[in-house]
Amino acid sequence: EAGVAQSPRYKIIEKRQSVAFWCNPISGHATLYWYQQILGQGPKLLIQFQNNGVVDDSQLPKDRFSAERLKGVDSTLKIQPAKLEDSAVYLCASSLGFLAGQGETQYFGPGTRLLVL
Amino acid sequence: AQSVTQLDSQVPVFEEAPVELRCNYSSSVSVYLFWYVQYPNQGLQLLLKYLSGSTLVESINGFEAEFNKSQTSFHLRKPSVHISDTAEYFCAVIENNNNDMRFGAGTRLTVKP
Repeated sequence: EAGVAQSPRYKIIEKRQSVAFWCNPISGHATLYWYQQILGQGPKLLIQFQNNGVVDDSQLPKDRFSAERLKGVDSTLKIQPAKLEDSAVYLCASSLGFLAGQGETQYFGPGTRLLVL
Repeated sequence: AQSVTQLDSQVPVFEEAPVELRCNYSSSVSVYLFWYVQYPNQGLQLLLKYLSGSTLVESINGFEAEFNKSQTSFHLRKPSVHISDTAEYFCAVIENNNNDMRFGAGTRLTVKP
């Protein structure tokens, strides 16, 4: 089966510009996650969707970050305006059901590497 | 909230030598534990996970990890490594009925010939 798809793979922008990342989860997966992975650190959860509803966005910097999953399939993460500290790899993951809290496996995409100058 | 500490940021080892990557967690409730591997320019891939039952879990490529509740540890081991095992390894924990999986900072395993 096809894995989690993300685009673009790389993006370079200047601070204060806006940027958007796209994710297409594994077909049939109900839950979608966005993570931020800063160099030298482990991934940090930004937002979790179950179908098209937000389950957890407590760590999303809502003054500049937004995300949507309108039809419960693919998702877009946007940053506007970008800051230097947003330079990171943005990972998308998906899981089959709604059982993150029961140890359900998350499947990760290759990530989008963002550099803010 | 739960947290994860990976005690070694880098582990160099020679091919065919044994290796142990250390992981400790903190949590006041029951947890599920994971090891993910990340090869260069790729996403994270699940290596193995502990949900319940036997405290020793194994992967298909020879890695194993043991859940030690008293030590709050989930160390990853392999008796004989290959060059192809060179990658970054992440330990992760999620608390029962929580949505937020927490990752350690990663351990870069480098296998030398």
